[in-house]
Amino acid sequence: KQEVTQIPAALSVPEGENLVLNCSFTDSAIYNLQWFRQDPGKGLTSLLLIQSSQREQTSGRLNASLDKSSGRSTLYIAASQPGDSATYLCASPAKAAGNKLTFGGGTRVLVKP
Amino acid sequence: EADIYQTPRYLVIGTGKKITLECSQTMGHDKMYWYQQDPGMELHLIHYSYGVNSTEKGDLSSESTVSRIRTEHFPLTLESARPSHTSQYLCASTGGGSTEAFFGQGTRLTVV
Repeated sequence: KQEVTQIPAALSVPEGENLVLNCSFTDSAIYNLQWFRQDPGKGLTSLLLIQSSQREQTSGRLNASLDKSSGRSTLYIAASQPGDSATYLCASPAKAAGNKLTFGGGTRVLVKP
Repeated sequence: EADIYQTPRYLVIGTGKKITLECSQTMGHDKMYWYQQDPGMELHLIHYSYGVNSTEKGDLSSESTVSRIRTEHFPLTLESARPSHTSQYLCASTGGGSTEAFFGQGTRLTVV
């Protein structure tokens, strides 16, 4: 069974600092790894999708890396802004789990002006 | 832009009522999911569908039921709502394999 863990559970930084969010997973036989953003009371918005054959993916200030051998992915957010305050979740469909999306608990981020 | 829709967005209903939460996607995705999420808490998978006429219960036990008669439609039903069912319900879909997953905006259910 795929287990996904995110550390830290919460993070508070001053505006302008870079953010580093960690995601670890137990089953490395994955199709991909996806990072989402969730604002309070809302659905999830897809940020980045890294295919299992890729090492990283970039979109604007966001960069996500994937190391399947160690079961880890890291989301970097450069030059954080107050608008980046949200909960960030990672998820992966493991092949052994029939492609079911398994989520980590999320990292709640607060960027202070 | 994700083409997956949930209705209603908010629902307040009395105990004992039957409710159906709607989820539709226009992307032709085979796999659809229902998650339950309490405020500030983790997402829990409650139902999963591989395709038409194929559904499974998720990791979290739920008194709700689902059906998948059409590819684009994955409704969730509670036969008799209780206050313990108060939560946010999120629907998602993916084409499977290496494709991206998309979420609806969620339905916030309150049972009084």
